[in-house]
Amino acid sequence: KAGVTQTPRYLIKTRGQQVTLSCSPISGHRSVSWYQQTPGQGLQFLFEYFSETQRNKGNFPGRFSGRQFSNSRSEMNVSTLELGDSALYLCASRTQGTDTEAFFGQGTRLTVV
Amino acid sequence: SQQGEEDPQALSIQEGENATMNCSYKTSINNLQWYRQNSGRGLVHLILIRSNEREKHSGRLRVTLDTSKKSSSLLITASRAADTASYFCATDLQGAQKLVFGQGTRLTINP
Repeated sequence: KAGVTQTPRYLIKTRGQQVTLSCSPISGHRSVSWYQQTPGQGLQFLFEYFSETQRNKGNFPGRFSGRQFSNSRSEMNVSTLELGDSALYLCASRTQGTDTEAFFGQGTRLTVV
Repeated sequence: SQQGEEDPQALSIQEGENATMNCSYKTSINNLQWYRQNSGRGLVHLILIRSNEREKHSGRLRVTLDTSKKSSSLLITASRAADTASYFCATDLQGAQKLVFGQGTRLTINP
């Protein structure tokens, strides 16, 4: 069974630009959640989608958004990038949103210059 | 703020020794999960322990959960150089559809 696939693996963007990251969950998994990892803040929850509906959102500004498609693939978008958005963005896939194992992708390393 | 607090923040031991990491949390949970991360890569799921379980084993891993103390521990026995990584606990909060992570323990196994 294929794991969670995140693309791209690395990105370098300029301040003010926007970026879209993609996540393909494990086949059959309907819940996709996103996390931001930085040295200072650790792993922070961004949002969770289940069957195309956002069920929970973390404490991030509105510049961070996401969506989920009918095939459970998910994208997250960050607009008007700031230097502080540089981070490892991780996607997690679960069969449902709670009380099951969460499997993570390799992440997308975003660098904002 | 982080739900989980991990202790110690860093641990360095000799190959073959056992490593113990602890995690404390604040609110009621469905389950607690442990993950390993190698140097800036993705998180590898190690083990899930539910709130009604007290102990779980997987290979060289042993996890305990004490809901009365809101704490968990991860024991890695007979450590190997390949176990060098950061280890995170994550609490699966009731009704939240999200995991809340601790800051992690950086484990170094010296050959």
